[in-house]
Amino acid sequence: EPEVTQTPSHQVTQMGQEVILHCVPISNHLYFYWYRQILGQKVEFLVSFYNNEISEKSEIFDDQFSVERPDGSNFTLKIRSTKLEDSAMYFCASRGTYSTDTQYFGPGTRLTVL
Amino acid sequence: GESVGLHLPTLSVQEGDNSIINCAYSNSASDYFIWYKQESGKGPQFIIDIRSNMDKRQGQRVTVLLNKTVKHLSLQIAATQPGDSAVYFCAETNTGTASKLTFGTGTRLQVTL
Repeated sequence: EPEVTQTPSHQVTQMGQEVILHCVPISNHLYFYWYRQILGQKVEFLVSFYNNEISEKSEIFDDQFSVERPDGSNFTLKIRSTKLEDSAMYFCASRGTYSTDTQYFGPGTRLTVL
Repeated sequence: GESVGLHLPTLSVQEGDNSIINCAYSNSASDYFIWYKQESGKGPQFIIDIRSNMDKRQGQRVTVLLNKTVKHLSLQIAATQPGDSAVYFCAETNTGTASKLTFGTGTRLQVTL
């Protein structure tokens, strides 16, 4: 069964450093998402991406965040200068063409900012 | 994918009993609702969904009920098994957008033997 994969599973970084989180969505999917989950809190939407551009972003997704689809398979989330409050689980998700297609989530990357 | 928290509602049921997990959603414009299961260390896993033109949908051992009048969603799990132990999230979206999901706070289901 196809699945969304994410690397690394755990990333530790110093405050102020740049991090790039990697995702490989399901191959025939067209819509891509990043969500995050701070420990003990609910999953929060960050950004959606379609046709090589951002279609929607949340207030969390400020100028420090960016997304990219550098090739036909990868989808990345970059945080330029990490803050302590960026520590969270980051989930990538993808779905097919239709708005009611299921969003499938990856296993997540745990980001720890020290 | 931990959702451990002091403030996470917990439902404890005995193996074999039925479980009912409730969720209140916030946006009247939402027209599509999904239940996800999240096990420790994993991402959310799709369980069942329902569109706003329905009030009930059944899957294998799971049923979702939707009450749009009071903006309430419930997940019923029949004959709960130890493998059902996880955190359960409801999510809502408006299919006219890029379908970003808005998640509820989650409920931890503990199945006791």
